[in-house]
Amino acid sequence: QVQLKETGPGLVQPTQTLSITCTVSGFSLTSYYMQWVRQTPGKGLEWMGFIRSGGSTEYNSEFKSRLSISRDTSKNQVFLKMNSLKTEDTGVYYCARGVGLMDAWGQGASVTVSS
Amino acid sequence: ETVMTQSPTSMSTSIGERVTLNCKASQSVGINVDWYQQTPGQSPKLLIYGASNRHTGVPDRFTGSGFGRDFTLTISNVEAEDLAVYYCLQYGSIPYTFGAGTKLELK
Repeated sequence: QVQLKETGPGLVQPTQTLSITCTVSGFSLTSYYMQWVRQTPGKGLEWMGFIRSGGSTEYNSEFKSRLSISRDTSKNQVFLKMNSLKTEDTGVYYCARGVGLMDAWGQGASVTVSS
Repeated sequence: ETVMTQSPTSMSTSIGERVTLNCKASQSVGINVDWYQQTPGQSPKLLIYGASNRHTGVPDRFTGSGFGRDFTLTISNVEAEDLAVYYCLQYGSIPYTFGAGTKLELK
């Protein structure tokens, strides 16, 4: 059974770094691209970037200077780190499996950026 | 960046009706378009990939079509469970981009 679950801090202060972990089960990270997508009140759904099955990454230039995606295949985990957070980064952050055909999504990690 | 423009922003329908949702790309994306359905509090759910391929388990009342810049999602015989927000996504070029969504409501 394919499952994805995001875990994150919930509340982050402005200028700080956001770290979210996506833990997957039922498939191998070495066989699928893994995406990060966020949903904010201001911009709706935004594609942030992905890590390929081989481990290389692509980022949305909107975030490129402050976003990093990595993984630990031994732990079946994918990581998102984004620094210099602003209040506009408040939203729900999703990991999803696949490229085009994102056929499995986590339930999302809700993040509030506030002091 | 490829901008995906969805229309209408919202639409009202009755159970059993047929509705058509539109998505227009600012440049050609071939068939590299998915459609997702999102209900309140839930993650987006894949309906259609590659413009016209129904994902496993998706009812055949959902039909996607289009190529290039113009894409449509048609829902035949709308059911109550179809009331949701529908998003198109292009993955023909990076950055991938979503439309702003069409909210399907009950008349």
